[in-house]
Amino acid sequence: GDSVTQMEGPVTLSEEAFLTINCTYTATGYPSLFWYVQYPGEGLQLLLKATKADDKGSNKGFEATYRKETTSFHLEKGSVQVSDSAVYFCAPRLLRGNNRLAFGKGNQVVVIP
Amino acid sequence: GAVVSQHPSWVICKSGTSVKIECRSLDFQATTMFWYRQFPKQSLMLMATSNEGSKATYEQGVEKDKFLINHASLTLSTLTVTSAHPEDSSFYICSAEERQRNTEAFFGQGTRLTVV
Repeated sequence: GDSVTQMEGPVTLSEEAFLTINCTYTATGYPSLFWYVQYPGEGLQLLLKATKADDKGSNKGFEATYRKETTSFHLEKGSVQVSDSAVYFCAPRLLRGNNRLAFGKGNQVVVIP
Repeated sequence: GAVVSQHPSWVICKSGTSVKIECRSLDFQATTMFWYRQFPKQSLMLMATSNEGSKATYEQGVEKDKFLINHASLTLSTLTVTSAHPEDSSFYICSAEERQRNTEAFFGQGTRLTVV
């Protein structure tokens, strides 16, 4: 069935380090792909999105490219800040069922000054 | 982006009482709203999908009589936790979508429910 897999475990890194969070999915067809971010005690905010193959979503220095060959949508940022500390969720939109978002487990990112 | 307002942001209630959580789309018509539950350090668990004017569709394992969902208008959906117990304590999040957009979902701020 349709699913999404994010890399295991929290991510701890120093300020200005390079961040990568891997996300792969299995789905029918070519779903729209999203990354959401959740800051402590808050709901989710859309970080970026890509709606077709080879599209690159970008926002606040974060980028992710829709790779249909590898069914991946890895999130990257070249130089993280303390304010980037949050939980990041990869979420493809399922084309089956009620067309809802399928959320990965999320990755806690902690940026140390 | 569009704004979804969820209220209250936190609530403490006694066991056996009911709690209502509201989710409002402030600047668009939300044809579909979703209710999620999130446990500490875990992902979102979809509880139900709510379409305006029709009955909600519940996910497997979610008690319909326990979690009452009403989506009476295009801008408001409510989740009522009936006869709450401590195990219902959790973070509840709603999201809203506009049919024509059918791309991104907009999320409320979440409600922290604590049942004592």
